[in-house]
Amino acid sequence: DAKTTQPTSMDCAEGRAANLPCNHSTISGNEYVYWYRQIHSQGPQYIIHGLKNNETNEMASLIITEDRKSSTLILPHATLRDTAVYYCIVRVVNYGGATNKLIFGTGTLLAVQP
Amino acid sequence: DTEVTQTPKHLVMGMTNKKSLKCEQHMGHRAMYWYKQKAKKPPELMFVYSYEKLSINESVPSRFSPECPNSSLLNLHLHALQPEDSALYLCASSQEAGTEETQYFGPGTRLLVL
Repeated sequence: DAKTTQPTSMDCAEGRAANLPCNHSTISGNEYVYWYRQIHSQGPQYIIHGLKNNETNEMASLIITEDRKSSTLILPHATLRDTAVYYCIVRVVNYGGATNKLIFGTGTLLAVQP
Repeated sequence: DTEVTQTPKHLVMGMTNKKSLKCEQHMGHRAMYWYKQKAKKPPELMFVYSYEKLSINESVPSRFSPECPNSSLLNLHLHALQPEDSALYLCASSQEAGTEETQYFGPGTRLLVL
């Protein structure tokens, strides 16, 4: 699985959009980009994933560059409850296989400020 | 319902004790996982069960013994642990082990080995 690089920490003002970057320059064609977050002392929470098209759900948007070497997670209106460590993960999906492994990087600590 | 439950929430044990961690899901998922998370580090995969059979063991020491008695339950038996095994133990589940399906995490069991 390809490795990801994320900033160690970021700040965001409450109510503003939070844009979290992730670099995955060695990504392969069959690798998906996943985002999870972990609020302090809780289990990781799935946010969104995508292969090459931009994706949006009720929590966030995922923008993947055309060459797929980087992506950005966008929280449109950050709240204090969005303070968490955000993990960008690149994962091979082997249909019919048994390799649904999530390899977490060090993640970005997003601190939403009042 | 996307809930994975884990018991106990906290556990303190001595190095000669035998204890078990339990994980349960009722989403009909056929893949279940154990992760270990040390303080200020990302989660690391330990074991993957697919259709109640162990499919991945990430070279975990034998003092950790997983068990999947049925498709809804996952146990982690602990024996002769070391203080360095103190960590947050996370359980997760997904529809299948080899698809792009989301992994859902439980809240974890915080283990302290004295």
